Amino acid sequence: GENVEQHPSTLSVQEGDSAVIKCTYSDSASNYFPWYKQELGKRPQLIIDIRSNVGEKKDQRIAVTLNKTAKHFSLHITETQPEDSAVYFCAARSLRGTGNQFYFGTGTSLTVIP
Amino acid sequence: EADIYQTPRYLVIGTGKKITLECSQTMGHDKMYWYQQDPGMELHLIHYSYGVNSTEKGDLSSESTVSRIRTEHFPLTLESARPSHTSQYLCASQIAGGPNEQFFGPGTRLTVL
Repeated sequence: GENVEQHPSTLSVQEGDSAVIKCTYSDSASNYFPWYKQELGKRPQLIIDIRSNVGEKKDQRIAVTLNKTAKHFSLHITETQPEDSAVYFCAARSLRGTGNQFYFGTGTSLTVIP
Repeated sequence: EADIYQTPRYLVIGTGKKITLECSQTMGHDKMYWYQQDPGMELHLIHYSYGVNSTEKGDLSSESTVSRIRTEHFPLTLESARPSHTSQYLCASQIAGGPNEQFFGPGTRLTVL
């Protein structure tokens, strides 16, 4: 099946700086890559996603880039704010087997220091 | 309001008990999922369903079972709880067709003594 690796596991940045989280996947057939933000004690919430026919997508301070050849995708947060502090998960949707399993990365705990 | 609900939110039980974690969604989604997640750690897929009377096992074998008799309801049952089952259980749902977002429930935090 699909294998998603996520780095780094923890990340601390100063408020206003940028944060980058990277994920790699193994299954070239995966075609959908969402990013979820999970605040302490709360449910994961989708913040941005990208489909395999697109190389980059941006939504205000958040952007995601996808390199299908290298099988990696990255989350970029600019002008970070303390409320960006959370655990971020990447995921890849695999088309193998029954065709709709999501495989999640191990998470990145982001701390934005005021 | 369309949402996905889980009950109970917190549960502390003794070893050997049978428990059922409830998940309901009012979004009309066909696809539903159960994940196990230790705090701040990755999500592991336990079971999923593409619709009524459809259930599949995920990669994580958790000695649990699910049923999907109604579209909106996807309960998870542990026949005999063990301390190793202590974790958070997240239910999710997704609209059918194509690559789309999964919506998560608030989770059930289970502690087995």
